[in-house]
Amino acid sequence: AQKVTQAQTEISVVEKEDVTLDCVYETRDTTYYLFWYKQPPSGELVFLIRRNSFDEQNEISGRYSWNFQKSTSSFNFTITASQVVDSAVYFCALSWNSGYALNFGKGTSLLVTP
Amino acid sequence: GAGVSQTPSNKVTEKGKYVELRCDPISGHTALYWYRQSLGQGPEFLIYFQGTGAADDSGLPNDRFFAVRPEGSVSTLKIQRTERGDSAVYLCASSSTRDEQFFGPGTRLTVL
Repeated sequence: AQKVTQAQTEISVVEKEDVTLDCVYETRDTTYYLFWYKQPPSGELVFLIRRNSFDEQNEISGRYSWNFQKSTSSFNFTITASQVVDSAVYFCALSWNSGYALNFGKGTSLLVTP
Repeated sequence: GAGVSQTPSNKVTEKGKYVELRCDPISGHTALYWYRQSLGQGPEFLIYFQGTGAADDSGLPNDRFFAVRPEGSVSTLKIQRTERGDSAVYLCASSSTRDEQFFGPGTRLTVL
């Protein structure tokens, strides 16, 4: 069975603060894929990143960075210098294979205020 | 190019009625997925198509739910004898083989 836990239900920060969204996963598969999606108030899920279980390199994309640690089964997401437009619900998801069903966490609602 | 589209955007129906929700995937995407998202929750997998066939329907909650994709493109999710608990946003996604899933805007279903 697969499970994704996002313990932070809501986070509120002031613009320009850094914020980290936690994601802990459980799986018995040796090969699996981890994802982050953003759901802005408009409702449409936007893909942010995909990582496979064999690639533990951290990744940076602009103000976004991801820290994947198999030893702690975590795939955390950090936004540096947050902006109001970052306000959204962020979902971490797990799949036993890329191109298959995603198991989503319950999401973390991020509010960035001016 | 065009993204995933879903119609209708909103559907209000009465308990016991039959509804159909439509999904138009991105052109050329062979895989199509249906998810259901209740308020305050993450999307929950329902069914996955690879081409015309359902590769995994393990997420369908019961036999009132059925989905088809007869020509390997457009898909229809069908719900019979709707119940108030079926109220949710129904999301469709599509992908090329082994690529990330692109989601549509969803259909908000309200069962009165």
